[in-house]
Amino acid sequence: GNSVTQMEGPVTLSEEAFLTINCTYTATGYPSLFWYVQYPGEGLQLLLKATKADDKGSNKGFEATYRKETTSFHLEKGSVQVSDSAVYFCALSDLVNTGTASKLTFGTGTRLQVTL
Amino acid sequence: ETGVTQSPTHLIKTRGQQVTLRCSSQSGHNTVSWYQQALGQGPQFIFQYYREEENGRGNFPPRFSGLQFPNYSSELNVNALELDDSALYLCASSFLGDSGNTIYFGEGSWLTVV
Repeated sequence: GNSVTQMEGPVTLSEEAFLTINCTYTATGYPSLFWYVQYPGEGLQLLLKATKADDKGSNKGFEATYRKETTSFHLEKGSVQVSDSAVYFCALSDLVNTGTASKLTFGTGTRLQVTL
Repeated sequence: ETGVTQSPTHLIKTRGQQVTLRCSSQSGHNTVSWYQQALGQGPQFIFQYYREEENGRGNFPPRFSGLQFPNYSSELNVNALELDDSALYLCASSFLGDSGNTIYFGEGSWLTVV
């Protein structure tokens, strides 16, 4: 079945450092890809998405490019802030069984901690 | 703010009891899904409802059941609670037919089974 693999955390960076969180996927077809962020004690917030190969999703300084050839969707940010400290989840959308329902398959999450 | 609201935010139940969690979908969304997120893990898909019928199910036993109402609000019911059911339960809404498949989550309900 479809799956998502994320780099192990935690990732600890100093403020203004460059961030990369790796994400690769296994899927049949061409799913949409997402990054969600979860702040402590909160639910999931959609950070960015890409719906087809070579699409770049971006939001709040974060970017990720849908790479079909490497089945990857790595998250990057040029300069992190303390407020970016959270858990980041990579996810793909696929169909439930063979029906029309669409669900998300998530990676295990990568915790980012940014220090001053 | 996603427009998806859940209640209660926290609750504690005893093993063997039953629990009902509630969700109000984002306006205009016709599909609601439920996910279970165990501590330190990514969310796992439980099931999805569309037009008040179950439209897909993940690998969860029948004691996990749900309802969707005409106003697109939803309930998740779990019978015969087990300790491993302790988790954050997330409701998500979307619009079936949205080619971008964007799914919006609520803040979640934290369930502790003791």
